[in-house]
Amino acid sequence: EDKVVQSPLSLVVHEGDTVTLNCSYEVTNFRSLLWYKQEKKAPTFLFMLTSSGIEKKSGRLSSILDKKELFSILNITATQTGDSAVYLCAVEATGNQFYFGTGTSLTVIP
Amino acid sequence: NAGVTQTPKFRILKIGQSMTLQCAQDMNHNYMYWYRQDPGMGLKLIYYSVGAGITDKGEVPNGYNVSRSTTEDFPLRLELAAPSQTSVYFCASSPHQETQYFGPGTRLLVL
Repeated sequence: EDKVVQSPLSLVVHEGDTVTLNCSYEVTNFRSLLWYKQEKKAPTFLFMLTSSGIEKKSGRLSSILDKKELFSILNITATQTGDSAVYLCAVEATGNQFYFGTGTSLTVIP
Repeated sequence: NAGVTQTPKFRILKIGQSMTLQCAQDMNHNYMYWYRQDPGMGLKLIYYSVGAGITDKGEVPNGYNVSRSTTEDFPLRLELAAPSQTSVYFCASSPHQETQYFGPGTRLLVL
């Protein structure tokens, strides 16, 4: 059965801390891995990863994929209260199928 | 651009009632998707469409139907609402098989 597992389920940190969110997957016919940030409502896109070892960066956020270990991480440096959200990992498989993890809930305390 | 819009924002249904969740996008995207998100759970794909006139089942299609008569609209139909369909429903669209743009969601409560 195809699945995406995220860890930890929740995380509480102080402003300025660095966090690492994990995503492991077992999905046949992998095409890409995507990270989303979900605040109150709809998820918003962060990164799409298709190749191993190539880091994607956007400001204080970065992500990398390891297709051999079937694993991805999302790093957030110098966290701010605005980073508080649920971070979703999704894997796209051929046939236009998407599988989402349950998310990691991040709370950043001032 | 309005992006992806969904209506209604919230609805309460009685068991056995039917309703249609509306989704529209003005970005001329070929791909559109319907997901449901249960509390504390990830998104699960219900149905998707790769273009007007073409739809296909996702991971959890039972109890739902869709149609795609135009590029812009992708309504989701519940024929006989059941308590298990209480959820938040997200519609999304994408220009290719890549990143998706999500609507604001519809919260559905079946009592």
